[in-house]
Amino acid sequence: DIQMTQSPSSLSASVGDSVTITCRASQGISGFLNWLQQKPGKAPNLLIYGASTLHNGVPSRFSGSGSGTDFTLTISGLQPADFATYYCQQTYNIPWTFGQGTQVDMK
Amino acid sequence: QVQLQESGPGLVKPSETLSLTCTVSGDSISANYWSWIRQPPGKGLEWIGFTSYSGTTNYNPSLQSRVTITIDTSKNQVSLKINSVTAADTAIYFCASAKWELTRRFFDSWGLGTRVTVSS
Repeated sequence: DIQMTQSPSSLSASVGDSVTITCRASQGISGFLNWLQQKPGKAPNLLIYGASTLHNGVPSRFSGSGSGTDFTLTISGLQPADFATYYCQQTYNIPWTFGQGTQVDMK
Repeated sequence: QVQLQESGPGLVKPSETLSLTCTVSGDSISANYWSWIRQPPGKGLEWIGFTSYSGTTNYNPSLQSRVTITIDTSKNQVSLKINSVTAADTAIYFCASAKWELTRRFFDSWGLGTRVTVSS
């Protein structure tokens, strides 16, 4: 299985901050990397797919980059609605696997 | 926009079979792949498997011996069965639609999830 490792596991930030989350795959996954946001008690929502393509309706303050084994999710100008847990996911090889999650909370 | 609704028993006894249904509306069930994902309490996400509209399936090897995913296009439903359940199968179960492109594969819509507890 491809292991997905996110860092940090949690972070505290303020509204307006720029936040970066990294995701590293245990082997190359080309651009088959997605980012999801999950709020407590809710289903995950797709933010970015194909490493850098913003899903419909996702604010432009979210951006993704990377290829191969190293990827980043950046939130430019954190908003109150962005306090949540973020997961990366690879769909390059079966089984599709997720990172352990990064919890973003309010400082 | 496709809408997904999971349903099924919230409590299953150990060693029995967990059975869930995902009802699809707002889009053709023939348009996508359909997947199940689960999340144990307080933990991360685990992909269980998927089916195509034609019934081609692929499962997580960690669950493959116990899992069956089927599709009923006449009812617009996707079903999940996990047999011989234990407490480790206690989780919120989500169904999701999976878009499959040449260079990208992703879950673009998710159901709300249904909580299943395995306990006697």
